[in-house]
Amino acid sequence: DTGVSQDPRHKITKRGQNVTFRCDPISEHNRLYWYRQTLGQGPEFLTYFQNEAQLEKSRLLSDRFSAERPKGSFSTLEIQRTEQGDSAMYLCASSFSRGGNGYTFGSGTRLTVV
Amino acid sequence: AQSVTQLGSHVSVSEGALVLLRCNYSSSVPPYLFWYVQYPNQGLQLLLKYTTGATLVKGINGFEAEFKKSETSFHLTKPSAHMSDAAEYFCAVTTQKGDTGRRALTFGSGTRLQVQP
Repeated sequence: DTGVSQDPRHKITKRGQNVTFRCDPISEHNRLYWYRQTLGQGPEFLTYFQNEAQLEKSRLLSDRFSAERPKGSFSTLEIQRTEQGDSAMYLCASSFSRGGNGYTFGSGTRLTVV
Repeated sequence: AQSVTQLGSHVSVSEGALVLLRCNYSSSVPPYLFWYVQYPNQGLQLLLKYTTGATLVKGINGFEAEFKKSETSFHLTKPSAHMSDAAEYFCAVTTQKGDTGRRALTFGSGTRLQVQP
């Protein structure tokens, strides 16, 4: 297993465009999390899935954001009508249900909205 | 609700000196505590974690941390800094809930460690 993979690593988009990011978790992990990290800050929780069910969404996740995890495997995070304030690193992590075993993070997707 | 406070957004040490990065947490239930390291334009790598049991935990690259419940602290230390330790360090907390619990991590704002030659 190669860990958590995220694609693309970098994305530059014009304001108003839609973007989609992909995360492939560790295959045995049933939980998948999305976080957003802005410059100089710690990651902030956006949403998480247990298997294919999206169990919680942060208030940070506006209506322009949608996440899916079909079949409980990979996940996608889509941002519609991007704004400059969406510029950030988007991190994906996966874990077992018993989270005390730790969370494995991907390398992230850096989004720049121009 | 849970929160993490990392004291000192920047810490500078000389190579070979002691590294001490401070973390205080707030949690209404017993916490799980983590330290992660992040290199520029990279994801987060787990250094060490405390769940239950021994309060002094050892991690990778010579780092260790001690869980002190009375002080609500989980400070990260390393006896001798190396140039390769220069990075951003994040303390994080989650709670010991049942399997239906969210268990998402709450992060501190990070401490940037500089190591001077």
